[in-house]
Amino acid sequence: DAGITQSPRHKVTETGTPVTLRCHQTENHRYMYWYRQDPGHGLRLIHYSYGVKDTDKGEVSDGYSVSRSKTEDFLLTLESATSSQTSVYFCAISVGQGAGKDGYTFGSGTRLTVV
Amino acid sequence: RKEVEQDPGPFNVPEGATVAFNCTYSNSASQSFFWYRQDCRKEPKLLMSVYSSGNEDGRFTAQLNRASQYISLLIRDSKLSDSATYLCVVNLNTGKLIFGQGTELSVKP
Repeated sequence: DAGITQSPRHKVTETGTPVTLRCHQTENHRYMYWYRQDPGHGLRLIHYSYGVKDTDKGEVSDGYSVSRSKTEDFLLTLESATSSQTSVYFCAISVGQGAGKDGYTFGSGTRLTVV
Repeated sequence: RKEVEQDPGPFNVPEGATVAFNCTYSNSASQSFFWYRQDCRKEPKLLMSVYSSGNEDGRFTAQLNRASQYISLLIRDSKLSDSATYLCVVNLNTGKLIFGQGTELSVKP
């Protein structure tokens, strides 16, 4: 399996607090992605990165920011957590060096609960 | 209209049955296609890519019809371990993958 790890695996946080989720890869892949998965919606793209300091928004980016200062790390920040951001968050990297042409490999996910 | 549509199921089948899942996509510029498998509370994992010529991997066969914008997955001789959610996935030429909501399969003894 590709070396991709997410931390933390589980988190409970209070409404209004900032939260940062980390995705770390050891494969030197250029493309990295953050998705959230919710019942009835499937996987939805939050943000993605196509290189160090190169990021762009996905379809559900409001309330989230990202940073990629090193190839191996892609951070997702909930600026002020809300209950609607309770979800399972998955990080993914492209298989190979292409932009998803050969699919993605996913991390194990972070279960976030905002109370 | 959703970009990738699947029948959510659940599909309840006995062991040994053949089951087929279908998926349609709306963007004719889509470049590559996949089926992913997701077990409960786990991450999605790539099951197989889907090619215009069709492709087979053991008991699994995937087909793509670009003219109809339709993808299928056939599972023969279902096993209990095939119980999972199957996600239809499309890669737009932007490089972003678009996921269907998934089809739930439950294989019973």
